[in-house]
Amino acid sequence: AQTVTQSQPEMSVQEAETVTLSCTYDTSENNYYLFWYKQPPSRQMILVIRQEAYKQQNATENRFSVNFQKAAKSFSLKISDSQLGDTAMYFCAFRSGSRLTFGEGTQLTVNP
Amino acid sequence: ETGVTQTPRHLVMGMTNKKSLKCEQHLGHNAMYWYKQSAKKPLELMFVYNFKEQTENNSVPSRFSPECPNSSHLFLHLHTLQPEDSALYLCASSQEGGTNEKLFFGSGTQLSVL
Repeated sequence: AQTVTQSQPEMSVQEAETVTLSCTYDTSENNYYLFWYKQPPSRQMILVIRQEAYKQQNATENRFSVNFQKAAKSFSLKISDSQLGDTAMYFCAFRSGSRLTFGEGTQLTVNP
Repeated sequence: ETGVTQTPRHLVMGMTNKKSLKCEQHLGHNAMYWYKQSAKKPLELMFVYNFKEQTENNSVPSRFSPECPNSSHLFLHLHTLQPEDSALYLCASSQEGGTNEKLFFGSGTQLSVL
């Protein structure tokens, strides 16, 4: 069974600063996909970024980038130039087949 | 808006009530999902439907009964729930055909069982 671990229940960052959220996972699969989802107070889960395991290049989406270390089974999210609207719960997720497995989430607060 | 609509937004029910949660997707997707989100726990996959057929039931108690009449609509029928069933219930949809298709989520139904 796949497991996803987010070891930081809460984090905070000053506006315009950079913050990194950590995620590790455990799997015996070789082909899979990793995602970061954001859940603001509106409760709607929004995809932030995704990474295919077969790609060595780290995914980047504007201010969001990942550090994917396949051997270490690590998938961290870096948010640059943090904005107040980035305040949300962030979930790391692993997908193999039809099952998407989530971590417990990290509550990120961006302070003005 | 992600194209996935859930109603109602909030629901309070007693343990003897029968209620239904509704989900509708306007994205032309062929797969729909129910997830349960409890406080301080990871999202738990409950059910998966692919082309209206249930392809996964993640050991969910029978007091939760899903229904998928077509690829655009998904229901979760609730009866004789327990207080520990109080949670946010999220619906999602995707276009299946590979494994990198992202899930589009609704805003959820916040359920309180008294």
